[in-house]
Amino acid sequence: AQKVTQAQTEISVVEKEDVTLDCVYETRDTTYYLFWYKQPPSGELVFLIRRNSFDEQNEISGRYSWNFQKSTSSFNFTITASQVVDSAVYFCALSEANDYKLSFGAGTTVTVRA
Amino acid sequence: DVKVTQSSRYLVKRTGEKVFLECVQDMDHENMFWYRQDPGLGLRLIYFSYDVKMKEKGDIPEGYSVSREKKERFSLILESASTNQTSMYLCASPEGPSYEQYFGPGTRLTVT
Repeated sequence: AQKVTQAQTEISVVEKEDVTLDCVYETRDTTYYLFWYKQPPSGELVFLIRRNSFDEQNEISGRYSWNFQKSTSSFNFTITASQVVDSAVYFCALSEANDYKLSFGAGTTVTVRA
Repeated sequence: DVKVTQSSRYLVKRTGEKVFLECVQDMDHENMFWYRQDPGLGLRLIYFSYDVKMKEKGDIPEGYSVSREKKERFSLILESASTNQTSMYLCASPEGPSYEQYFGPGTRLTVT
């Protein structure tokens, strides 16, 4: 069975600080996909990134970056120079190959203070 | 623009009532999902549907049922609402297997 662990329940930072969210996963499949979603206070989950298990390149998108390390089964997410608008709950999720279902972590609440 | 809509953002119901949560997607997707979200537990899958009139139990189906009469609409039914079903309910539809799921805005249900 697949499993996703987000050990950090809450993180509070001051604006412009960097923040890293940890995600550790378990799966028996060799082909799988990892995701990050953002849930702002409005409630709607917003897709951020999808990464397959064969692509270990780090990804950067503006102030967001992701570090995928198969050796440690981790897919960590960093927000650089955080802003108040980054305040949200962030979820990491995993899908095995050819499966429509997602397994979500418990989420990490990020609060960015002005 | 991809869209998943849910009938209500907030709902307050009494214990024992029958509750219908409606979800509509305009993407012509085959698959639709219902999750509930609770603090510290993340999103947990209640039911999903691969096609019209087809449904599969997720991880926590007890106390719920679903209906999918049309491709674009997937309803979650609480036959007899209980206080432990107070939660945020999220509907989603994926583009394909192992692709991202598009989520609706959520329905925050309170059962008193």
